[in-house]
Amino acid sequence: EPEVTQTPSHQVTQMGQEVILRCVPISNHLYFYWYRQILGQKVEFLVSFYNNEISEKSEIFDDQFSVERPDGSNFTLKIRSTKLEDSAMYFCASSENWWGGPNQPQHFGDGTRLSIL
Amino acid sequence: SQQGEEDPQALSIQEGENATMNCSYKTSINNLQWYRQNSGRGLVHLILIRSNEREKHSGRLRVTLDTSKKSSSLLITASRAADTASYFCATDGGDGNNRLAFGKGNQVVVIP
Repeated sequence: EPEVTQTPSHQVTQMGQEVILRCVPISNHLYFYWYRQILGQKVEFLVSFYNNEISEKSEIFDDQFSVERPDGSNFTLKIRSTKLEDSAMYFCASSENWWGGPNQPQHFGDGTRLSIL
Repeated sequence: SQQGEEDPQALSIQEGENATMNCSYKTSINNLQWYRQNSGRGLVHLILIRSNEREKHSGRLRVTLDTSKKSSSLLITASRAADTASYFCATDGGDGNNRLAFGKGNQVVVIP
């Protein structure tokens, strides 16, 4: 069964450094998402992406965050200047075409654990 | 903003028993979804129920949705040790956007 893959599985970064988290969504999916889960807390929506532009973003997704689809397969999340509070598990997800209506399940990767020191 | 909210339960059951967990939400939805998360892994989609549906089955899973009470339940029948995981409900925006709002999750432990 096709799956969403994320790399790296664990990223350790010094505070203030830039970090890029990578995702390969399911190949025929057109909607892409990033979520995060701080340890012991809920999974939180960050951003959705469709047709090479952001569809929606949460208040968490401030100017320090950006997303990009640099080629036909990868989907990246960049944090420009990391803070301690960015430490979390970051999940990428994808879903099928929007024309199927708003009832499309989202398929998640295994996540990248980001640790900011 | 709306949120899925599970009853804050940690269930510990014997293999073969049924496990039930509940979820409530606050605003209108197009659909509600249930996900499973094994320790250290990603979220696995289990089942999606649309707002105009009341009950849905998938294998050993049974989901109900009561939009008047803004609540849902997930029943796992004849549980197995492999069902040990955290279970999350998630609701969409109800406004045409696809963002999911997750609850806190229920930890289920199935004892062999």
